Amino acid sequence: AQTVTQSQPEMSVQEAETVTLSCTYDTSENNYYLFWYKQPPSRQMILVIRQEAYKQQNATENRFSVNFQKAAKSFSLKISDSQLGDTAMYFCAFTTLETNSGYALNFGKGTSLLVTP
Amino acid sequence: DTGVSQDPRHKITKRGQNVTFRCDPISEHNRLYWYRQTLGQGPEFLTYFQNEAQLEKSRLLSDRFSAERPKGSFSTLEIQRTEQGDSAMYLCASSPSGRGRSGANVLTFGAGSRLTVL
Repeated sequence: AQTVTQSQPEMSVQEAETVTLSCTYDTSENNYYLFWYKQPPSRQMILVIRQEAYKQQNATENRFSVNFQKAAKSFSLKISDSQLGDTAMYFCAFTTLETNSGYALNFGKGTSLLVTP
Repeated sequence: DTGVSQDPRHKITKRGQNVTFRCDPISEHNRLYWYRQTLGQGPEFLTYFQNEAQLEKSRLLSDRFSAERPKGSFSTLEIQRTEQGDSAMYLCASSPSGRGRSGANVLTFGAGSRLTVL
């Protein structure tokens, strides 16, 4: 079974500061995809960033970047220059190559991030 | 296209009643997923459709749950004889065809249908 663990239930950061959210996963697969999704309060989940396991280069999307350590099965998200609008639940998710479940995602339990003024 | 739409957004029902949720995916997406999310947890996979075919069902999907996607477009999720443990947010997501590198593994989620069973 593939599991995703987010060990930080809650975090807070001041506006303009940098914060890192942790994620580890367990799989025996060699090819897979990792994601960070953001779920603002009472709003829909949106994709923040995606990483393909075969790529050694860490993915970046504007203020968001990841530190992908394949051997350690670690996939952390760094948010730079935090903004109030970054306040949300952040979910780390994993999927393998296409199966009978398509690309169904396995999610962690999430980290609630609060950005304070 | 405005994304994935779900209806209703909120449903309060009494235990034992039946409820149905509808999901309208992005029109060109042939893959559709249902998830359940309880408070403080990440979404859990329920079922997957490719076009009109239901290809996978999670063990979480008891026999009181049924999902359909009759024409490969919108989908419905019905819960019969609801129980208090069914209270959750039901999320629908869709993704395009193709392989992972093409973006087929990027799921677009709807806002969810929140169910409260009294």
